[in-house]
Amino acid sequence: GENVEQHPSTLSVQEGDSAVIKCTYSDSASNYFPWYKQELGKGPQLIIDIRSNVGEKKDQRIAVTLNKTAKHFSLHITETQPEDSAVYFCAASIDGGSQGNLIFGKGTKLSVKP
Amino acid sequence: EAQVTQNPRYLITVTGKKLTVTCSQNMNHEYMSWYRQDPGLGLRQIYYSMNVEVTDKGDVPEGYKVSRKEKRNFPLILESPSPNQTSLYFCASSPRGRANYGYTFGSGTRLTVV
Repeated sequence: GENVEQHPSTLSVQEGDSAVIKCTYSDSASNYFPWYKQELGKGPQLIIDIRSNVGEKKDQRIAVTLNKTAKHFSLHITETQPEDSAVYFCAASIDGGSQGNLIFGKGTKLSVKP
Repeated sequence: EAQVTQNPRYLITVTGKKLTVTCSQNMNHEYMSWYRQDPGLGLRQIYYSMNVEVTDKGDVPEGYKVSRKEKRNFPLILESPSPNQTSLYFCASSPRGRANYGYTFGSGTRLTVV
């Protein structure tokens, strides 16, 4: 089955710097890659996703890139702010049937220092 | 407001005492799923349901049961809880009977089994 590896497990940056979180996946049939942000005491919330027919997607200060050949995808946060501090999860899934379940990475705890 | 509602938010129970964690969504989503979150292990899927009366095991189903009698509800049942089921539990839902159209998560249920 699918396996998703996420690095780093913790990341500390200064406010205004960029943050990059990387994930690799094992099943080349995976074609949907969402990223979730979990703030303290809350459930994960979808912040951006990408499908395998595109290589990059941006939404204001966040962007996701996908390299299908290398089977890895990354989350980029620019001009980080203290409210970006949270745990971020990447995930992967295969479209269709029972294979549509999301498999999550183990998470990255991002700390943005003022 | 579109949401997934879990109850209770916190629960302390004793080994062997049956309990049910409820999950309800108001978005008419076909797909629902339960995850447990443990430190260092990320989010692991317990059970999922692609529609009413259709349920299947995830990666860590042992010791849990689910039912899907109505579209909006997906309760998680622990028939005989044990301390290793102490965890943070999340319910999630997604449209179109598949996970890869974006999950909406509940706020979580923190369960302690003593």
